[in-house]
Amino acid sequence: AQKVTQAQTEISVVEKEDVTLDCVYETRDTTYYLFWYKQPPSGELVFLIRRNSFDEQNEISGRYSWNFQKSTSSFNFTITASQVVDSAVYFCALTPNGNSGYALNFGKGTSLLVTP
Amino acid sequence: EPEVTQTPSHQVTQMGQEVILRCVPISNHLYFYWYRQILGQKVEFLVSFYNNEISEKSEIFDDQFSVERPDGSNFTLKIRSTKLEDSAMYFCASSSPGHFNTEAFFGQGTRLTVV
Repeated sequence: AQKVTQAQTEISVVEKEDVTLDCVYETRDTTYYLFWYKQPPSGELVFLIRRNSFDEQNEISGRYSWNFQKSTSSFNFTITASQVVDSAVYFCALTPNGNSGYALNFGKGTSLLVTP
Repeated sequence: EPEVTQTPSHQVTQMGQEVILRCVPISNHLYFYWYRQILGQKVEFLVSFYNNEISEKSEIFDDQFSVERPDGSNFTLKIRSTKLEDSAMYFCASSSPGHFNTEAFFGQGTRLTVV
């Protein structure tokens, strides 16, 4: 069985602070994919990143960076110099195998509030 | 940019009534999904659909639910006899075919309120 844990329910930071959102996962699959999605107040789910289990390279995209550590089963997400527009709920998700069509198993999400 | 479109954005229905939620996936995608999110809770998988049949479904997706791709563009979720606990945001998603798991793109959701 798969499980995704986002222990931080809510985080509040002041604009320009860096913030890290934690994600810990459990799976028995040797091949799996990890994802982050953003859900702004408007409600839609916005894809941010996908990482496969064989690629432990960290990734940076602008102010966003992701740290995948297989040894600790973690896939943490850092926002550098946070902005008010980053306020949203962020979901980490996991799916097995390498083929399309499998269910995303979401964590409970972390609600991030960035204040001016 | 291609996107997944869902209609309506909000639907109110009486308990016991049938409701159909509609989705137009991205045109070259072949995998389709429905997820739901009860207010304040996590997003939960309901069903995936490929090649005109269900490829995977969760425990939530019981006999009250059905999915259909009636034509080349629409993908629908039907709830036969709605219950109060069916009130949730329902998300449709689609993904392209590929040997390696491709990301699912989500629609903006349909908020279903059962009264």
